[in-house]
Amino acid sequence: ILNVEQSPQSLHVQEGDSTNFTCSFPSSNFYALHWYRWETAKSPEALFVMTLNGDEKKKGRISATLNTKEGYSYLYIKGSQPEDSATYLCASFSNFGNEKLTFGTGTRLTIIP
Amino acid sequence: NAGVTQTPKFRVLKTGQSMTLLCAQDMNHEYMYWYRQDPGMGLRLIHYSVGEGTTAKGEVPDGYNVSRLKKQNFLLGLESAAPSQTSVYFCASSTAPGSGSFYEQYFGPGTRLTVT
Repeated sequence: ILNVEQSPQSLHVQEGDSTNFTCSFPSSNFYALHWYRWETAKSPEALFVMTLNGDEKKKGRISATLNTKEGYSYLYIKGSQPEDSATYLCASFSNFGNEKLTFGTGTRLTIIP
Repeated sequence: NAGVTQTPKFRVLKTGQSMTLLCAQDMNHEYMYWYRQDPGMGLRLIHYSVGEGTTAKGEVPDGYNVSRLKKQNFLLGLESAAPSQTSVYFCASSTAPGSGSFYEQYFGPGTRLTVT
């Protein structure tokens, strides 16, 4: 994988249901993986920064896992609420020393009340 | 503590005009970045800076210039605007590596630019 890829591109989920989506990134020279939450008409805000293989991070109903050997991360949302509606971006740092993130195109999540 | 601010918030330019977008941060961050966001393209890095007086090209630098004369400010210039530069521009800043943040980015509110 040369780029950061996210799937699905968009997702509609019933309020109360749980959901998850995927970020794939280059596994060679991996340094860090970021997840950002981006609400419409606002700017992206960091959810998680993950660096170690097997890392699991949690913030309220949202959690993320990281597999650096195979180059993927999952973001999970438990019991979706309308306020979870946003675009979720992942971004990868590889080749430490390049000082720049490569972003995926995001997963647009819409929670249906 | 304002975080990252951008001016202006909106601008309409005619083809060939020039303008400068200003990004300012008050978090004493070493690194600053300019991204553009286009539908279906995600965030693409235009230029970045790893410290006062330094700049480097990102993924889509053509048609843009930048300057970082002061640590807290990062300017993005369009010398001769083109319709292809119609976009939303985001500035971000982060601490340097080794500080434990692993480049966590703090974004400004964005500047919506239309070139006609």
